[in-house]
Amino acid sequence: GDSVTQTEGPVTLSEGTSLTVNCSYETKQYPTLFWYVQYPGEGPQLLFKVPKANEKGSNRGFEATYNKEATSFHLQKASVQESDSAVYYCALGDPGGYKVVFGSGTRLLVSP
Amino acid sequence: GPKVLQIPSHQIIDMGQMVTLNCDPVSNHLYFYWYKQILGQQMEFLVNFYNGKVMEKSKLFKDQFSVERPDGSYFTLKIQPTALEDSAVYFCASSRTGGAETLYFGSGTRLTVL
Repeated sequence: GDSVTQTEGPVTLSEGTSLTVNCSYETKQYPTLFWYVQYPGEGPQLLFKVPKANEKGSNRGFEATYNKEATSFHLQKASVQESDSAVYYCALGDPGGYKVVFGSGTRLLVSP
Repeated sequence: GPKVLQIPSHQIIDMGQMVTLNCDPVSNHLYFYWYKQILGQQMEFLVNFYNGKVMEKSKLFKDQFSVERPDGSYFTLKIQPTALEDSAVYFCASSRTGGAETLYFGSGTRLTVL
């Protein structure tokens, strides 16, 4: 079945340093790929999504490229801020159906 | 942006009793989901629902769980009877057309079973 594997957290960084959260997926479909972010006390919310292979998504300084050959969708940010502290979920969705598969989430802690 | 409302935000209940968690999804959405998150742990899929039917459920969706959306009103998760291990935050989500669309999540209902 479909699966998503991402960097195990927590990831602890200082403000101003760069971030990479790895995400790999397995599926027989041609999925849409997502990054969601969950702040404390809230439900997850969409960070961005990419429906097509070899395209890049971005939002709030975060970006990821849909790499179909490597089946990866790594999240990157050049310079993190304390306000980026949250849990980040990689997910894949089946365009022809209803399935959405989430990774286990990566907790990011950014210290000032 | 679109909002999913969950009622109540907190619920405390004695083990063995019934509880119903309510979700008011985005108005034109057709696909509905429940997820469970134990404190400090990852979010885990319970069930998805479309056109009045359960499309898929996980092993966490025990026989004591049921979902429905009568007449387009709230999308509900009922647990009867509750057990201690049901204590968690339950998130409802909805989407317009299914897997490739953005899921919109509510803020969750924190359920405590005593």
